[in-house]
Amino acid sequence: AQSVTQLGSHVSVSEGALVLLRCNYSSSVPPYLFWYVQYPNQGLQLLLKYTTGATLVKGINGFEAEFKKSETSFHLTKPSAHMSDAAEYFCAVRGAAGNKLTFGGGTRVLVKP
Amino acid sequence: DAGVIQSPRHEVTEMGQEVTLRCKPISGHDYLFWYRQTMMRGLELLIYFNNNVPIDDSGMPEDRFSAKMPNASFSTLKIQPSEPRDSAVYFCASSRGGTNEKLFFGSGTQLSVL
Repeated sequence: AQSVTQLGSHVSVSEGALVLLRCNYSSSVPPYLFWYVQYPNQGLQLLLKYTTGATLVKGINGFEAEFKKSETSFHLTKPSAHMSDAAEYFCAVRGAAGNKLTFGGGTRVLVKP
Repeated sequence: DAGVIQSPRHEVTEMGQEVTLRCKPISGHDYLFWYRQTMMRGLELLIYFNNNVPIDDSGMPEDRFSAKMPNASFSTLKIQPSEPRDSAVYFCASSRGGTNEKLFFGSGTQLSVL
């Protein structure tokens, strides 16, 4: 079985500041890891994913995430926050079998001018 | 492409009524997923289909919930009878090749059961 823990249900950052969203996972097999973003009244959109290979993954809108097996983490970062980054972000893990994505509880990002 | 289309966007019904949510996946996608989102439980996978065949329905809460996919371009999620605790946002998502690939989500159906 797999699980995802996102630290902090709400994060507030100033425009131009670093965005750091934390995600830790548990998986009995090598995981596939994902970050999705949800804007108000919309469905989720894929930001980036890690399956195999390079552990630093770059996504859309300037976001990136690093897979650290030793820490069972997949934290999401963006060097400089923009007002348009205000949204809810979900980390998800997929085990090797089946097609079940297990989502974390989400982190809502507020960007202050 | 129009994306994943869900209808209705909002549904308000009374306890005991039948509710049917609809989804049209992206053409060419062979996987379809139904998720439910609530504040308390977050995003939960209810059921998914591959090539119109239900593969895993272990997330369906109880027998009051049923889902069908009669063809590659249409799926329904039915709740009968509905209860207030079913109030949530229900998302449909589709992908080409399962969850290793990008899931495309619809805008969701906001269900309120009074």
